[in-house]
Amino acid sequence: EAQLVVSGGGLVKAGGSLRLSCAASGFSFNDAWVSWVRQAPGKGLEWVGRIKSKSHGGTIDYAAPVKGRFSISRDDLKDTIYLQMDSLKTEDTAVYYCTISDLWGQGTLVTVSS
Amino acid sequence: SYELTQPPSVSVSPGQTARITCSGDALPKVYAFWYQQKPGQAPLTLIYKDTERPSEIPERFSGSSSGTTVTLTISGVQAEDEADYYCQSADPNDTYWVFGGGTKLTVL
Repeated sequence: EAQLVVSGGGLVKAGGSLRLSCAASGFSFNDAWVSWVRQAPGKGLEWVGRIKSKSHGGTIDYAAPVKGRFSISRDDLKDTIYLQMDSLKTEDTAVYYCTISDLWGQGTLVTVSS
Repeated sequence: SYELTQPPSVSVSPGQTARITCSGDALPKVYAFWYQQKPGQAPLTLIYKDTERPSEIPERFSGSSSGTTVTLTISGVQAEDEADYYCQSADPNDTYWVFGGGTKLTVL
């Protein structure tokens, strides 16, 4: 069964850092384009960024609110995508999901305190 | 950046048909996707590439496209369909995603 497992969330102070992981299983990961999406409490879905497969150049795109602070990387040997979040702000508080094609991970909560 | 516009809420009685629209200037050029989200759960992909449905999604969920508007249609609505629904697309250069604001479907 194909699935994505997201981990690494938690409580961090503003200005701090956190790294999320999205581990894939049950399907071929190497050709996957992976997006991160977040949802602030009580709000809608917001795209964070995306990394293409290496066969498509491994291009990475970011949403304007996180550009320069967040970075996405992939380890195809471990079938895992990472979201490194630096210089965190209180407005980054959200549940973070990863998604590949029509598959979504369960999400992990990131809380940034002031 | 461009925006996708959805109605904040739609109400329908069980067994009736619900239609949720999503409007955006780029929709004639890019694909749209639809997601269902229930409280405390991750989104579930209902429709991809405007009209395609993952194999595990019931046939009563369908997508259509006309000009700058895409529509999610739920035929024979059931109580379990009460949820938030989001449309999503990308910019014409496929460098970023955009989500609609979401539509809360209430089953009366």
